[in-house]
Amino acid sequence: EDQVTQSPEALRLQEGESSSLNCSYTVSGLRGLFWYRQDPGKGPEFLFTLYSAGEEKEKERLKATLTKKESFLHITAPKPEDSATYLCAVQAIGGYNKLIFGAGTRLAVHP
Amino acid sequence: GAGVSQTPSNKVTEKGKYVELRCDPISGHTALYWYRQSLGQGPEFLIYFQGTGAADDSGLPNDRFFAVRPEGSVSTLKIQRTERGDSAVYLCASSSGGGGSSEAFFGQGTRLTVV
Repeated sequence: EDQVTQSPEALRLQEGESSSLNCSYTVSGLRGLFWYRQDPGKGPEFLFTLYSAGEEKEKERLKATLTKKESFLHITAPKPEDSATYLCAVQAIGGYNKLIFGAGTRLAVHP
Repeated sequence: GAGVSQTPSNKVTEKGKYVELRCDPISGHTALYWYRQSLGQGPEFLIYFQGTGAADDSGLPNDRFFAVRPEGSVSTLKIQRTERGDSAVYLCASSSGGGGSSEAFFGQGTRLTVV
């Protein structure tokens, strides 16, 4: 069964304190791995898609990496506005593009 | 519109009543998805439309849930005989679809509360 597990469930950082969020996945055949950001009361906002092991993508203070079993979202020198829930999701080959989500990591960045 | 629009943003209904939730996807997007998100959880897939047809409805929990997309644009998720366990945020997403992987863009969701 295709499955996504994210850790930690919650993370508290001081402003400027870099860290990484983990996404472990089990999928029959990976079409793509997605990272989304979700603010309270809002829908998920697309951040990155990764397709193959070794791939990396960056956007401002965020960098996403992918291996054959997990993905990391690295946050460098975070700011309070980076506080949100970060969701990881996979698309399986033959899965009609549907996303299988993890439960998310709730990130709080304090000044 | 510029993004995916969902109405209403909030809906409170009594147990046993019928509700309809509406989704307006991004113009030109052929693929449309419904997800359900409970507190503290990630979104859970319900149904996927490619054009007017439901290509995958494997996530619908039971026959009280039904969705349509008659003209290949707007979609309506319909829930009959609502139960308290149906309370959640219902999210709609759309993408350009096609054979490869493409990013899905989400609406802000409809928060359904069954009392």
